[in-house]
Amino acid sequence: EAGVAQSPRYKIIEKRQSVAFWCNPISGHATLYWYQQILGQGPKLLIQFQNNGVVDDSQLPKDRFSAERLKGVDSTLKIQPAKLEDSAVYLCASSNGLAGGETQYFGPGTRLLVL
Amino acid sequence: SQQGEEDPQALSIQEGENATMNCSYKTSINNLQWYRQNSGRGLVHLILIRSNEREKHSGRLRVTLDTSKKSSSLLITASRAADTASYFCATDADSNYQLIWGAGTKLIIKP
Repeated sequence: EAGVAQSPRYKIIEKRQSVAFWCNPISGHATLYWYQQILGQGPKLLIQFQNNGVVDDSQLPKDRFSAERLKGVDSTLKIQPAKLEDSAVYLCASSNGLAGGETQYFGPGTRLLVL
Repeated sequence: SQQGEEDPQALSIQEGENATMNCSYKTSINNLQWYRQNSGRGLVHLILIRSNEREKHSGRLRVTLDTSKKSSSLLITASRAADTASYFCATDADSNYQLIWGAGTKLIIKP
């Protein structure tokens, strides 16, 4: 079974630029998550999709971050404009459960550095 | 907000020894999960224990859950160099099932 795919793996941008990350979850997984992980901390949930609907985006900085999951499969996360404090690893995960709290399968992450 | 807190923040032991990490949380939960993260394999699920379970085993891993104390422990027996990683506990609050993560325990296994 193929795992969660993410691209790019690394990205370096200057502040105020925009950036987009892509995620392809495990086939058949209804729930998709985007997390932000700052060095030395645990992952912080940014947004959770169930199929193509948003379940929770309470911690997504909506003035600069946006995410979509078209057709309930792939997802993109965009930051525009980026700030220095956005430097982090962005993790995408998927799960088979619909209620949340189930085992999550993570992609390799995208390491973002904002200069 | 951070629900789980791992203790210790860092742990260094000799290969072959046992490693014990603890996790405390604040609100009632449906289940608690342990994950491992290293540079080679990213973040990987290890074990899930439900709120009505007290102990669970998986290979060299043993997880206990004490809901009265709102705490869990992860024991890795006969540690190996490949166990070097950060270990996170994640809980889903009883109310909304969202996973909340601790800051992790960094485990180093010395050869």
